[in-house]
Amino acid sequence: QQQVKQSPQSLIVQKGGISIINCAYENTAFDYFPWYQQFPGKGPALLIAIRPDVSEKKEGRFTISFNKSAKQFSLHIMDSQPGDSATYFCAASKSFGNEKLTFGTGTRLTIIP
Amino acid sequence: DTEVTQTPKHLVMGMTNKKSLKCEQHMGHRAMYWYKQKAKKPPELMFVYSYEKLSINESVPSRFSPECPNSSLLNLHLHALQPEDSALYLCASSQGQGWTGELFFGEGSRLTVL
Repeated sequence: QQQVKQSPQSLIVQKGGISIINCAYENTAFDYFPWYQQFPGKGPALLIAIRPDVSEKKEGRFTISFNKSAKQFSLHIMDSQPGDSATYFCAASKSFGNEKLTFGTGTRLTIIP
Repeated sequence: DTEVTQTPKHLVMGMTNKKSLKCEQHMGHRAMYWYKQKAKKPPELMFVYSYEKLSINESVPSRFSPECPNSSLLNLHLHALQPEDSALYLCASSQGQGWTGELFFGEGSRLTVL
């Protein structure tokens, strides 16, 4: 019940296109859903996060869509750029009582010119 | 620039060596973490310190020994490691109580066990 399933495992998108990565969770106690971006040789960095009281959150070219009833959330990257090429991890956690983040399996995104 | 600093960036050790990884943060965070990351895999939680006390140990073998000397520092002592322990070891910190879920990661220490 602690799993977060992420797809696809790898994704190639043309520059200017839309990149979409999907995640699904099982534990209904999760109430915080961040996305982390990791470049080679670096640690993951928080990109954007959402709580289940909203269905969408947008920050620049990055949007999280959240479907509470389906227990799914997704990351959309608009106007994808070569600099967006990285590995993306979705994650889920409970805000209080357990300082533990459950990560998805990761998506390696490559943006081609 | 990351606000969580890890040293060394690279470490090669033999199976009989004793070494330590170090982590430092100056954001006033009260929770600190060690994660292990294998290639093409997500970070895997090892230990959590909350307010300088060990709060989570994810059944990590005793050849890994964490230490939190104060709220800004976190060490991971390594002894008698196995080649399969070769990985990127990531330190992270978060606010702690009332935690929003945001982890701040360091760049990691790349460990190779020969």
